[in-house]
Amino acid sequence: GAVVSQHPSWVICKSGTSVKIECRSLDFQATTMFWYRQFPKQSLMLMATSNEGSKATYEQGVEKDKFLINHASLTLSTLTVTSAHPEDSSFYICSAPTASTDTQYFGPGTRLTVL
Amino acid sequence: TQLLKQSPQFLSIQEGENLTVYCNSSSVFSSLQWYRQEPGEGPVLLVTVVTGGEVKKLKRLTFQFGDARKDSSLHITAAQPGDTGLYLCAGARTNAGKSTFGDGTTLTVKP
Repeated sequence: GAVVSQHPSWVICKSGTSVKIECRSLDFQATTMFWYRQFPKQSLMLMATSNEGSKATYEQGVEKDKFLINHASLTLSTLTVTSAHPEDSSFYICSAPTASTDTQYFGPGTRLTVL
Repeated sequence: TQLLKQSPQFLSIQEGENLTVYCNSSSVFSSLQWYRQEPGEGPVLLVTVVTGGEVKKLKRLTFQFGDARKDSSLHITAAQPGDTGLYLCAGARTNAGKSTFGDGTTLTVKP
């Protein structure tokens, strides 16, 4: 099956600092990856679509200057939370579809805590 | 806006009971996925259904895709505590396009 990894699995940072989260497709290439945010016991909230070689597409209400996305290669997308604040604390998950299916394969998630 | 409504939102049952989770939409999807997620982890794919009317079984789990490809159900027989988790349905309309996720169903199976 398709495997997606995320790093780090958890991070604690001080308010005002920036945090980078990596999402990698390990055994397939992904021209598109998706970034989600999830609050406890709630469904996934799509933040943005990461496109290899071009700009990310952000969902309404998501600040693109706050959440920087870079899709540098066919197997790596990064999400940088800039000038993080406590309200940015959340569980961030990425996913990638394989080229031949509609199915999203998810990373294990990154727990961000901003103090 | 595509919406996928899941019901019930929360479900707490005793071990051995049966349950059904529903996923409904007014939109047609090319495929629909069911995922299970445990706290602190990413969603894990359970099944993909593609054909209207399709039924797939995964041990004690039975998944059905509606004839019109607008809705789906997940039935669990003889639930076990290990089935506890957040169940998510997701509908897709194009290859490699973004999926629409349901609200999620939090299932708790008590021993």
